[in-house]
Amino acid sequence: AQSVTQPDIHITVSEGASLELRCNYSYGATPYLFWYVQSPGQGLQLLLKYFSGDTLVQGIKGFEAEFKRSQSSFNLRKPSVHWSDAAEYFCAVGARASYGNKLVFGAGTILRVKS
Amino acid sequence: EPEVTQTPSHQVTQMGQEVILRCVPISNHLYFYWYRQILGQKVEFLVSFYNNEISEKSEIFDDQFSVERPDGSNFTLKIRSTKLEDSAMYFCASNGPQAVSDEQFFGPGTRLTVL
Repeated sequence: AQSVTQPDIHITVSEGASLELRCNYSYGATPYLFWYVQSPGQGLQLLLKYFSGDTLVQGIKGFEAEFKRSQSSFNLRKPSVHWSDAAEYFCAVGARASYGNKLVFGAGTILRVKS
Repeated sequence: EPEVTQTPSHQVTQMGQEVILRCVPISNHLYFYWYRQILGQKVEFLVSFYNNEISEKSEIFDDQFSVERPDGSNFTLKIRSTKLEDSAMYFCASNGPQAVSDEQFFGPGTRLTVL
C-alpha cells in the first residue's frame, strides 16, 4: 500500500534562513508527488507537483522540490523563509484508483518561523 | 480562478443525527473526492466518485456514509447517524479531465462537530 512519511513533526527556522522539509514515500509504480500547504483554519493549497520529467520542480511562493527515485524522497526546499510561510506542510503521493486517483498524505510538518 | 466551494463552513450536530455536507466542484471536472482530517491528524482519503458511481472508498467509508451528485453541480457527503468520532474537518476535492495527472483542487472544508 502507498504511504508517505514526513519525519519531522515540527521545524523552527529563523526568518531569512533556508528550509528543507523531508518526505519519503512508498509506492510500487511511478509516483505522482505533491506538496500542499495548510494555514490554520484554512484548506489545502497546492505548492508544487511532480509527474514526470525534470526531477527538480518549481512551485509557488519560491518553493522547489527534488524527486530522488533512488531515495524514494521528495523534499521541499526554500532558500529564504518568510514569516508568512509559517503553516503546516503536507507531502502526498497520488495513487491510482479504478477511475480517478486518491491522495495519500503524510502526517504533516508544522513550520514555525522566528524573527 | 475557478474554485471548489463547500457549505456550511461549520456544522454542529448531536450524536445520532444525520448531516449532509455540500460541495460544488469546479465545473469542468469529472472526478470528485472527499477527505477528512481529524484535529491534529493527517488528511485521510474517504471516497472518490466518477460517472455517478463510487470508484474507490476507504475502510473509513462504511455504511453510515454515502455520496451523491444530485444535479450537475453539487456533490454531497451524507453521514446517516453521526458519532463523536466523526468530528473532523471534511474536504471536498475535484480534478479532471485527466484524473491521474491533474492536480486535485481542494475546497476550504467543513468543520463538523458532533456533540
